[in-house]
Amino acid sequence: DTEVTQTPKHLVMGMTNKKSLKCEQHMGHRAMYWYKQKAKKPPELMFVYSYEKLSINESVPSRFSPECPNSSLLNLHLHALQPEDSALYLCASSPSSGKNTGELFFGEGSRLTVL
Amino acid sequence: GNSVTQMEGPVTLSEEAFLTINCTYTATGYPSLFWYVQYPGEGLQLLLKATKADDKGSNKGFEATYRKETTSFHLEKGSVQVSDSAVYFCALSGSAGNMLTFGGGTRLMVKP
Repeated sequence: DTEVTQTPKHLVMGMTNKKSLKCEQHMGHRAMYWYKQKAKKPPELMFVYSYEKLSINESVPSRFSPECPNSSLLNLHLHALQPEDSALYLCASSPSSGKNTGELFFGEGSRLTVL
Repeated sequence: GNSVTQMEGPVTLSEEAFLTINCTYTATGYPSLFWYVQYPGEGLQLLLKATKADDKGSNKGFEATYRKETTSFHLEKGSVQVSDSAVYFCALSGSAGNMLTFGGGTRLMVKP
């Protein structure tokens, strides 16, 4: 199994809603990532979890709250988002967050629209 | 800091044409270099990689050679197909670990 599975594929929410994006991998990877991708732009790193602990937060607003319940699951909790947060949110995993490997396995993404 | 510069697209080619997408980088130390591909409506997939100077990465007919002297990692394919239409991202991973620095992406459109 070499897949990273993300749900939902599409999400529409209002600015007062609370929703969550979910990501799952069963490759035994110990590092998991959230990226945000706007149209026609490269992915931007948001968070990195290494061995289920948050290791990097790229100064992401607190309306985005990551959670790593176990080594296979990664969630992104969304609350009070703004229309400019509309984007494709990509989850990725890698065997570790160690030096110089750079080979990430990406999910297909969750396309979020904030009204 | 690290940075990656790619040629801007879109690149439009006819089927069976030769493809080159230029990529140059700036990094300290000895980064690893990657090409990722994103097909419409999908996430990114690793296409190929090279971890040291003069290495050649190859996959699905695509090739790229790690050129330290010119700090480049150009992507080439001898004969493109319509199914190669996608966005291609050059990326590097430096000594700080697995954090990828992406180029801006190049959209390739192949016409029958």
